[in-house]
Amino acid sequence: GAGVSQSPRYKVAKRGQDVALRCDPISGHVSLFWYQQALGQGPEFLTYFQNEAQLDKSGLPSDRFFAERPEGSVSTLKIQRTQQEDSAVYLCASSLVGQNTEAFFGQGTRLTVV
Amino acid sequence: RKEVEQDPGPFNVPEGATVAFNCTYSNSASQSFFWYRQDCRKEPKLLMSVYSSGNEDGRFTAQLNRASQYISLLIRDSKLSDSATYLCVPWHPSNTGKLIFGQGTTLQVKP
Repeated sequence: GAGVSQSPRYKVAKRGQDVALRCDPISGHVSLFWYQQALGQGPEFLTYFQNEAQLDKSGLPSDRFFAERPEGSVSTLKIQRTQQEDSAVYLCASSLVGQNTEAFFGQGTRLTVV
Repeated sequence: RKEVEQDPGPFNVPEGATVAFNCTYSNSASQSFFWYRQDCRKEPKLLMSVYSSGNEDGRFTAQLNRASQYISLLIRDSKLSDSATYLCVPWHPSNTGKLIFGQGTTLQVKP
């Protein structure tokens, strides 16, 4: 596709439910990032992949959060046993490798845990 | 100290005004800087990249002060369409490629 695609756009989950959020990066982009954005805040880093390798997962808030990118393209962010504080917009971004490269964001998945 | 700090605002300015806001960063090894714009309920989009002392693109000017570790964004002749949140992102090699965003500064341009 032309841009980063995320699905679903909106997800309502009952507390305790598991959810899976999908990200389709721009074709050929080596780097893939996941961010969590709460209302009124900037995007908070969760994890970073270079191809299929997860190089940094220091931002994942707990072991309930898990991300994978098995073939170096599509990525899935999984949240187990969702809690109300997980309610946020989850943004995925992709870029070419290197410091001078722009990161392109998807439209995000708005997760509401009730 | 947070890695990136921005005044959240909001900055309320009339159309045609000049407005500037700063972003301070803690890591002196930061090499590149990015300003992203985020409209309400939309994803961030790159506004400007800064690799040296500054950059200018039309009404937008970014200036870097390495000694004081801040980068500013100046918007001249503000338009209603400039209303958005502006996010600052410094990049340094030790960040393993990840981008750390500031909280963002919200600008509201009034008619």
